[in-house]
Amino acid sequence: RKEVEQDPGPFNVPEGATVAFNCTYSNSASQSFFWYRQDCRKEPKLLMSVYSSGNEDGRFTAQLNRASQYISLLIRDSKLSDSATYLCVVKKYQLIWGAGTKLIIKP
Amino acid sequence: SQTIHQWPATLVQPVGSPLSLECTVEGTSNPNLYWYRQAAGRGLQLLFYSVGIGQISSEVPQNLSASRPQDRQFILSSKKLLLSDSGFYLCAWSGISGLAEYNEQFFGPGTRLTVL
Repeated sequence: RKEVEQDPGPFNVPEGATVAFNCTYSNSASQSFFWYRQDCRKEPKLLMSVYSSGNEDGRFTAQLNRASQYISLLIRDSKLSDSATYLCVVKKYQLIWGAGTKLIIKP
Repeated sequence: SQTIHQWPATLVQPVGSPLSLECTVEGTSNPNLYWYRQAAGRGLQLLFYSVGIGQISSEVPQNLSASRPQDRQFILSSKKLLLSDSGFYLCAWSGISGLAEYNEQFFGPGTRLTVL
């Protein structure tokens, strides 16, 4: 079993739709959780950290369920510029990266 | 502000040739430094990390090596490249914080290596 698993994608979504990404992790002792965004052939950049109580940043909402070892990212009112690969990242001692889910927003 | 530089951006090398990729960070002191490799369609694989000058931890046994000759310089090397070494190599840094959960990593632009 992979340490961090994400939906394989790609997700093809019309502009304005709501998109949900799911991620599960295997190490129950993981301490920190993040969502990174990676544009095609570019480096990853932090989108948001994920806190135990859940957190929101504009159109983006992240949730953490420690009991189920599950993380989610919700994008509301998706824009063309949201097209990218979204990477789930879990940290215990080092960052463990999911393979990412590619999102394609269509006009 | 902090910046991280990597070069070259693209590299094509024959099998068996040596490799040297350099990464430098500006605007911060005593950063943690990381080398990752990303194969096509895959997640990032941590290769090496360093918490200080001369200190290198290897995560995956392979024909690559890393060195940190200066506080803000991190070098990835190989004596003989293999076909399987092809990939996107990313250098990253993070600050030192007493709260581990705030160790966001910042990435350089990466080097796309093709071994033929």
